[in-house]
Amino acid sequence: DVLLTQSPASLPVTLGQVASISCRANESLVHRDGYIYLSWFQHRPGQSPRRLIYKVASRDSGVPDRFSGDASDNDFTLTITRVEAEDLGIYYCCQGTHWPWTFGQGTRVE
Amino acid sequence: EVQLVESGGDFVKPGESLRLSCSASGFRGSGLLFRNAWMTWVRHLPEKGLEVVGRIITTRDGGTGSYSTAVRGRFTISRDDSADTVSLQMNNLRLEDTGVYYCMAVFPLQSWANFWGRGTRVTVSS
Repeated sequence: DVLLTQSPASLPVTLGQVASISCRANESLVHRDGYIYLSWFQHRPGQSPRRLIYKVASRDSGVPDRFSGDASDNDFTLTITRVEAEDLGIYYCCQGTHWPWTFGQGTRVE
Repeated sequence: EVQLVESGGDFVKPGESLRLSCSASGFRGSGLLFRNAWMTWVRHLPEKGLEVVGRIITTRDGGTGSYSTAVRGRFTISRDDSADTVSLQMNNLRLEDTGVYYCMAVFPLQSWANFWGRGTRVTVSS
């Protein structure tokens, strides 16, 4: 199974500041169709997970533009500019290129 | 409004079986059809985070299920497109299967649109 390693495990933030989460894959996530199926999910306590970003950098409908995704080789980054209180929770990267799909271990933004 | 509603979660002993269901509604209002969705079960395990359990592709593409290493041979996913439901049959449950099970719909042909249910809790304990 593809291993996704997220860092940091816990990220203290200051409201209004920038927060960045890293996710490293142990193998290429380029699908045979040429796309990279790397997504980012937000999971708030008591709620369902919510996808924010898919295919590395595409924002889901309704997701504020302060959330952005980027990649460099097998390293992926989720950046939150101007963190707001509603952004607190656990963030997971997830690869959908290889089966089984796998998640990173999560980063708690607090 | 798209809704996925899971049911069937319970408190069971190791070795027992459980069947979870997920009922979908509201897809048509969003221009989507249940039969075009890859239906996936994802679980949230205590202290371990999110884990994909398995996925069933569209009936048109064969309707086959694929499973994670942890559940292969014990869990089976099935779908009923006439009722817009997907089920997860879980046999020989283990302590480590304890968690919240979510139903997720993914539409590969509609910009990978993605929807989640609220989850149902499964507790395996002796």
